[in-house]
Amino acid sequence: GEDVEQSLFLSVREGDSSVINCTYTDSSSTYLYWYKQEPGAGLQLLTYIFSNMDMKQDQRLTVLLNKKDKHLSLRIADTQTGDSAIYFCAETENQGGKLIFGQGTELSVKP
Amino acid sequence: DSGVTQTPKHLITATGQRVTLRCSPRSGDLSVYWYQQSLDQGLQFLIQYYNGEERAKGNILERFSAQQFPDLHSELNLSSLELGDSALYFCASSVGTSGLETQYFGPGTRLLVL
Repeated sequence: GEDVEQSLFLSVREGDSSVINCTYTDSSSTYLYWYKQEPGAGLQLLTYIFSNMDMKQDQRLTVLLNKKDKHLSLRIADTQTGDSAIYFCAETENQGGKLIFGQGTELSVKP
Repeated sequence: DSGVTQTPKHLITATGQRVTLRCSPRSGDLSVYWYQQSLDQGLQFLIQYYNGEERAKGNILERFSAQQFPDLHSELNLSSLELGDSALYFCASSVGTSGLETQYFGPGTRLLVL
């Protein structure tokens, strides 16, 4: 079945770049998403990438997709303390709309 | 603010009880999805409705049921509650059902079963 894997923790210093990685198994995934969850809050859509793209840039966020290796990454440039949160990678099922989520990566940004 | 609203924000109840969680999708969205977030299972898809009809089912227990009303709001009913049902329940909405539309999430309902 479909599976999405992420590392659980990442700690960076303020001003550095953060790179959060994700691997997925469903080769027929259409869209891949990054969501952010702050403590006690819901899921905020950060960005997404269509499976026929290699890269997408959106201000401080860069998404890289390696379809061959089924690897997705989210790079946050100039990471700020306000970026501290849990980041979820998700893919859409090949048919239908349900999202398959990774376990989430907790990003800690130290001043 | 995603435009998806969920009530209540918090719910505390006892084992064996029944609760109803409510979700109003973004204006214009026809699809509603329910997800459960727990410490041991992570974020899991429960069920999807599109324009009043059930469209997809995930890891939803038989004790749980949902429906989508003509005004497109949705309710998730959880019955015979167990301690393990304590979780954050999210509702999301999207325009359609093809899987290509972005899902926007509500703030969630935190359920605690004592």
